[in-house]
Amino acid sequence: GAVVSQHPSRVICKSGTSVKIECRSLDFQATTMFWYRQFPKKSLMLMATSNEGSKATYEQGVEKDKFLINHASLTLSTLTVTSAHPEDSSFYICSAWAGTSEYEQYFGPGTRLTVT
Amino acid sequence: QKEVEQNSGPLSVPEGAIASLNCTYSDRGSQSFFWYRQYSGKSPELIMFIYSNGDKEDGRFTAQLNKASQYVSLLIRDSQPSDSATYLCAVNLGNQGGKLIFGQGTELSVKP
Repeated sequence: GAVVSQHPSRVICKSGTSVKIECRSLDFQATTMFWYRQFPKKSLMLMATSNEGSKATYEQGVEKDKFLINHASLTLSTLTVTSAHPEDSSFYICSAWAGTSEYEQYFGPGTRLTVT
Repeated sequence: QKEVEQNSGPLSVPEGAIASLNCTYSDRGSQSFFWYRQYSGKSPELIMFIYSNGDKEDGRFTAQLNKASQYVSLLIRDSQPSDSATYLCAVNLGNQGGKLIFGQGTELSVKP
């Protein structure tokens, strides 16, 4: 299957700093990338939908100024958590969709963010 | 009402038994349905997808869809300890591109 990478896999940062997470589709062009967060023993919560070259669409309750998403190319989307706080600590997962059929959505391995 | 609902479990079955995982959804316009498996600390991996009413089999896995009842299930035959994971049901509404709505997941434990 297609490969999606995320970097970094783990990051620990201090409260008040910003953290950037990269999501790359390695062997296909992703029309759309999705960003999720997941708390322990909870389901995936969609944060935003990112289309190449346009502004991301955020889900209700997600602060767009806090979670900055950039989708600069068909293979790269970034999520920046600005002014991170301990409550932002979570597992962040991206998925990439080629846009040709519903099942062609591939998940990255996730990024574990810990804010101290 | 949640859009996609699953029993959170944990569901415990003995090795070799059939595990039955259930999911209901609220939007009658939903077009396609997915089952993902997620091991602790890892991201989800796609097991099966189904679009049409009826059964779809792939190896030990069978997905069942009943659109009239707004119900989708996953059966795992000959369950193995390696099947122990959280199983996530996801629904594509059909009018929002690839956007998926996930249920809360069912934790499955297969005992040797």
